[in-house]
Amino acid sequence: GAGVSQTPSNKVTEKGKYVELRCDPISGHTALYWYRQSLGQGPEFLIYFQGTGAADDSGLPNDRFFAVRPEGSVSTLKIQRTERGDSAVYLCASSRDFQETQYFGPGTRLLVL
Amino acid sequence: AQTVTQSQPEMSVQEAETVTLSCTYDTSESDYYLFWYKQPPSRQMILVIRQEAYKQQNATENRFSVNFQKAAKSFSLKISDSQLGDAAMYFCAYRSALRGGSQGNLIFGKGTKLSVKP
Repeated sequence: GAGVSQTPSNKVTEKGKYVELRCDPISGHTALYWYRQSLGQGPEFLIYFQGTGAADDSGLPNDRFFAVRPEGSVSTLKIQRTERGDSAVYLCASSRDFQETQYFGPGTRLLVL
Repeated sequence: AQTVTQSQPEMSVQEAETVTLSCTYDTSESDYYLFWYKQPPSRQMILVIRQEAYKQQNATENRFSVNFQKAAKSFSLKISDSQLGDAAMYFCAYRSALRGGSQGNLIFGKGTKLSVKP
């Protein structure tokens, strides 16, 4: 079946703008995760959804970052008033349930000028 | 808090040879999972191998195997008969087996860049 998909693949924006990054998980996967990968680093956890609710948002760096998953499938990561330091690859992963293996999408590369 | 350390920023191996990538971790938990993910230039993180901490037997997937030393908190990846397609970043990751809270997420090391020479 289809894997995790993320759109857009690349996003260039200007400092101060608002961006939305989309994640389509594998069909039937109830758990969805967002990670951020800065250059030369491993991915860092941002937020985890179980169904429609955010089970853990402890990784969100500040209140400019917000994510939703209104119908328990597609998720959108929203970044307000972008800063140059937000430039990174944003990865999404999904799993059938909490303790199952996470499968990753190809990521969205965000560049804030 | 749990941490994962990969002490080899870069490694190189000759095609058809064997290479071992190192990973150590720190945790006070007794039950957890360990993973190796591969990330080629396409950015897609691909699961290579998974190990449950309660299993003493080392996991194996074709040419990939691990050496899991729970007491030493060490989890190395061995790649046998290396192929050109194995060239990529390799990330070691930890996940708690406890349900709820922040235990669902993966904690990654900084990665090891593997080059394969023809």
